[in-house]
Amino acid sequence: DAGVIQSPRHEVTEMGQEVTLRCKPISGHNSLFWYRQTMMRGLELLIYFNNNVPIDDSGMPEDRFSAKMPNASFSTLKIQPSEPRDSAVYFCASSPSILNNEQFFGPGTRLTVL
Amino acid sequence: QKEVEQDPGPLSVPEGAIVSLNCTYSNSAFQYFMWYRQYSRKGPELLMYTYSSGNKEDGRFTAQVDKSSKYISLFIRDSQPSDSATYLCAMSAVDSNYQLIWGAGTKLIIKP
Repeated sequence: DAGVIQSPRHEVTEMGQEVTLRCKPISGHNSLFWYRQTMMRGLELLIYFNNNVPIDDSGMPEDRFSAKMPNASFSTLKIQPSEPRDSAVYFCASSPSILNNEQFFGPGTRLTVL
Repeated sequence: QKEVEQDPGPLSVPEGAIVSLNCTYSNSAFQYFMWYRQYSRKGPELLMYTYSSGNKEDGRFTAQVDKSSKYISLFIRDSQPSDSATYLCAMSAVDSNYQLIWGAGTKLIIKP
């Protein structure tokens, strides 16, 4: 099993640009989570999906952030327009079900907004 | 006050020492308690999982939950340099749709 796949691994962009992060969950997993990690705030849940449906997006910081899961094997997190304070490591994680506490994390995307 | 409190460290100990990592929490509804390990520039991975109170042992690792004190611990025996990582506690409850509530993580350094 390839595990959770995220792309790109690193992204450097300028303020105001659109950023799209991608995630492929583990096959057969029904739940998908997007997290952001910074030194100051730790690991924050942004949004999670169950069976491709967004369940809770209360962690999405602003309207500049949006996430989609068009099918069971792909999800995107988009930031438009990006700001320097969005610089962080963004993790995607998947889980067999919403009731399963074990989440399998991808390697993360390190985003730097200049 | 955060729902889950965890000292960010760093905690530096010599190889072979017993390590104790701890978290406190405020929500008495938490029933599921986890420890995740995160190596530098990697995603967290589940290390230990405990339901309700009690102890769980897996090799050199022991997880303890004291619900009366709202306190959980992870012990590492015979610590190795390869144990150097950040250890995050996480908890969940049925009434929060099993969402994981995370501690800040403790950075552990094992000196050879």
